[in-house]
Amino acid sequence: DTGVSQDPRHKITKRGQNVTFRCDPISEHNRLYWYRQTLGQGPEFLTYFQNEAQLEKSRLLSDRFSAERPKGSFSTLEIQRTEQGDSAMYLCASSPSDFSYNEQFFGPGTRLTVL
Amino acid sequence: GENVEQHPSTLSVQEGDSAVIKCTYSDSASNYFPWYKQELGKGPQLIIDIRSNVGEKKDQRIAVTLNKTAKHFSLHITETQPEDSAVYFCAASRKPPYSGAGSYQLTFGKGTKLSVIP
Repeated sequence: DTGVSQDPRHKITKRGQNVTFRCDPISEHNRLYWYRQTLGQGPEFLTYFQNEAQLEKSRLLSDRFSAERPKGSFSTLEIQRTEQGDSAMYLCASSPSDFSYNEQFFGPGTRLTVL
Repeated sequence: GENVEQHPSTLSVQEGDSAVIKCTYSDSASNYFPWYKQELGKGPQLIIDIRSNVGEKKDQRIAVTLNKTAKHFSLHITETQPEDSAVYFCAASRKPPYSGAGSYQLTFGKGTKLSVIP
């Protein structure tokens, strides 16, 4: 399967715990995005990487959130001191490097439940 | 920032009928408009997209139209089938001024739940 993969698919945690999600983009896709989707809503942009550089962060990304993309390949999203409001589907998408091209391919998502 | 409105929020059609979903956007600089289909428990799947230099695009039973002047775009599904039942999202994005200046982040509508009744 050459699509975007995410791990884990589901995560249940207690409030105050830290969680980390992983995203493996489509091979050779230089651009990587994280989005968050709550029930009944469309995905909302969180952050963007071009290769290993994090070039843009949404105001939704509080200080408790951090994302990395070492070596420009896979990416991780960590949430510290989780809150019930963090419960959502976290989606990763990747896109080719052509500057004029913005087709984004999404992974299956990680569903986070904070108890 | 960009704001995308999507209507209707739910849509039920008989199998074989057509379905139309409409979206409006606010940022005149937006130039890329994709449509995604999301099935329960899965990530969004890109089904068709259109760029601002094109007014209409068709792929088999799916077509998208864009009216830049009015800032609205629509998805048309003909000869609907039960497997078309899903939530459909429209989105919009703009090209950053130069490479490395920022992202092509997508701004999504709130979705339309399409039910195709056999």
